Amino acid sequence: AQSVTQLGSHVSVSEGALVLLRCNYSSSVPPYLFWYVQYPNQGLQLLLKYTSAATLVKGINGFEAEFKKSETSFHLTKPSAHMSDAAEYFCAVSAGTGNQFYFGTGTSLTVIP
Amino acid sequence: DTAVSQTPKYLVTQMGNDKSIKCEQNLGHDTMYWYKQDSKKFLKIMFSYNNKELIINETVPNRFSPKSPDKAHLNLHINSLELGDSAVYFCASSLGPWNGNEQFFGPGTRLTVL
Repeated sequence: AQSVTQLGSHVSVSEGALVLLRCNYSSSVPPYLFWYVQYPNQGLQLLLKYTSAATLVKGINGFEAEFKKSETSFHLTKPSAHMSDAAEYFCAVSAGTGNQFYFGTGTSLTVIP
Repeated sequence: DTAVSQTPKYLVTQMGNDKSIKCEQNLGHDTMYWYKQDSKKFLKIMFSYNNKELIINETVPNRFSPKSPDKAHLNLHINSLELGDSAVYFCASSLGPWNGNEQFFGPGTRLTVL
């Protein structure tokens, strides 16, 4: 069975501080992993994706994620938080039939000025 | 030049009514999806079509019926609406049905059933 677990439904960081959002996956085959961001009252926007080309993946808006097979993790980081980063972040795995996405429960990021 | 569009953005209706949500993508993609996001923001797939053919049909009540008139459109019709149907419904599309394809999401339709 495919699934992702996001630890921490709410994360608060100060502006300029490191952002770390955690995602662990469960997959019986090499996974395809994604991070999406959802701003209030909007759809989901792709931040980055892992498709086995490189373990460190760089995305938009200064975000990056590292795939660690030994830890079954794909944590999202950003060196310095901006106020505009405040949003809901979703980790997802693509598996099964027809590119079905299994989403984590989301992490709400608050940036404190 | 919106990639994935949905109409309407908001839908407020009474229990028992029938309603439809429309989705269109101009990306030339073959595969389209419907997701439901509940009040706790959990996203779950409902249906997927590839080139007008149903390929994913999760355990969704048969009051929900998707229709794909062509590969650029995927509509969702809901019969006999219930309070529990209140949610945000997202349409998405991808180049194809192969695992690892990025999905592009629409802005969502917030359905409120009174």
